[in-house]
Amino acid sequence: EVQLEQSGAEVKKPGESLRISCQGSGYNFYDYWINWVRQMPGKGLEWMGKIDPRHSYINYSPSFHGHVTISLDKSISTAYLQWSSLKASDTAIYYCARSAYSRSSPFDSWGQGTQVTVAS
Amino acid sequence: DIQMTQSPSSLSASVGDRVTITCRASQSINNYLNWYQQKPGKSPKLLIYAATSLQSGVPSRFSGSGSGTEFTLTISSLQSEDFGIYYCQETYSSPPAWTFGQGTKVEIK
Repeated sequence: EVQLEQSGAEVKKPGESLRISCQGSGYNFYDYWINWVRQMPGKGLEWMGKIDPRHSYINYSPSFHGHVTISLDKSISTAYLQWSSLKASDTAIYYCARSAYSRSSPFDSWGQGTQVTVAS
Repeated sequence: DIQMTQSPSSLSASVGDRVTITCRASQSINNYLNWYQQKPGKSPKLLIYAATSLQSGVPSRFSGSGSGTEFTLTISSLQSEDFGIYYCQETYSSPPAWTFGQGTKVEIK
């Protein structure tokens, strides 16, 4: 069974750093991009970026470039999303999702989401 | 950037009704269009990919059509479990920005 297991909920203060994770299992981790998607409270879905596990190539949405960092640990089939200095506006649920190596490929499997709350 | 606009923003329909949701792209995206369903407190679920292809395991009452800039998701006979928010998504843009529509909330009367 394909699974994307995300790390647990986080509560942080503004200015703190954070890294959340997404571990893939049940499939060849190298055969799919890992995407990150933000959902702010009561709002819609926003694509943040993706990473290619074969070559570690990363694409960021222009809206998120410079605000977050996507990375990978191939040895444990895990992708990461990290912030160096959180803001209250980063409060959201963050999902990872896989898609095959093609622009036409949809996000066919999603993680359960990680709730990030940033408050003083 | 490609803008994706869904209509309506919300709808309320009865069990058995035919429901249609429209998604318009600000420029042609060929058939690089996917549809997802999200229920409260859950992750999104893929329903339709490449505009018209039904994802494995998704009931056949769901169908997609369109190409270019205008797309539709149709539920042929609405069931009680079909409540939720439906999102379209383009995966045409390169470099990718892979925008989602703003969502359509479906409620059961």
